[in-house]
Amino acid sequence: AQSVSQHNHHVILSEAASLELGCNYSYGGTVNLFWYVQYPGQHLQLLLKYFSGDPLVKGIKGFEAEFIKSKFSFNLRKPSVQLSDTAEYFCAVKTDNNNDMRFGAGTRLTVKP
Amino acid sequence: DADVTQTPRNRITKTGKRIMLECSQTKGHDRMYWYRQDPGLGLRLIYYSFDVKDINKGEISDGYSVSRQAQAKFSLSLESAIPNQTALYFCATSAPPGLAGVVWNEQFFGPGTRLTVL
Repeated sequence: AQSVSQHNHHVILSEAASLELGCNYSYGGTVNLFWYVQYPGQHLQLLLKYFSGDPLVKGIKGFEAEFIKSKFSFNLRKPSVQLSDTAEYFCAVKTDNNNDMRFGAGTRLTVKP
Repeated sequence: DADVTQTPRNRITKTGKRIMLECSQTKGHDRMYWYRQDPGLGLRLIYYSFDVKDINKGEISDGYSVSRQAQAKFSLSLESAIPNQTALYFCATSAPPGLAGVVWNEQFFGPGTRLTVL
């Protein structure tokens, strides 16, 4: 069965540091890829999505992600994090072989002053 | 006003009780979903519905049932709650994919229901 792996469970960064959160999936066919963010006490919100075309996707709040098909990866990046980026980040993958969306376990990001 | 609402927001119940969680949306989306969130496991899909007459099991449907009463309403029931169903439950909606290459569109989530089963 397809799976989604987020290897970093908790990342702690200082303000202005660069961020990269890993996301790998196990499926060789067509995928739609998403990153969602969940701020403390709030519901999930979409950061960005990839359906097709340019593998470098720009999202909201300065986030971007790169789809590398050969590596089955969709890593999330931000050049300079802010305190307000403290949240939990979820990668999600939808494949074309079933009707089930799979989420990764999430990565908790803490940004310190 | 919120586009996706869930009631109740918090619920504490006892083992064996029947519980219903409700979800309503004003986005006009045909597709609705129920997920549960557990620490370290992310979100897992329980059930989903692509229209009023369509109900589908997700990854972890055992112990749950759903009802799609109308396009805007999708309820999740726990017929006999057990402690390992203690979790945060999210409802979500999406529009059907309208573009080539889009398998499943982005989802819009409700605020969540925190359920504790004692």
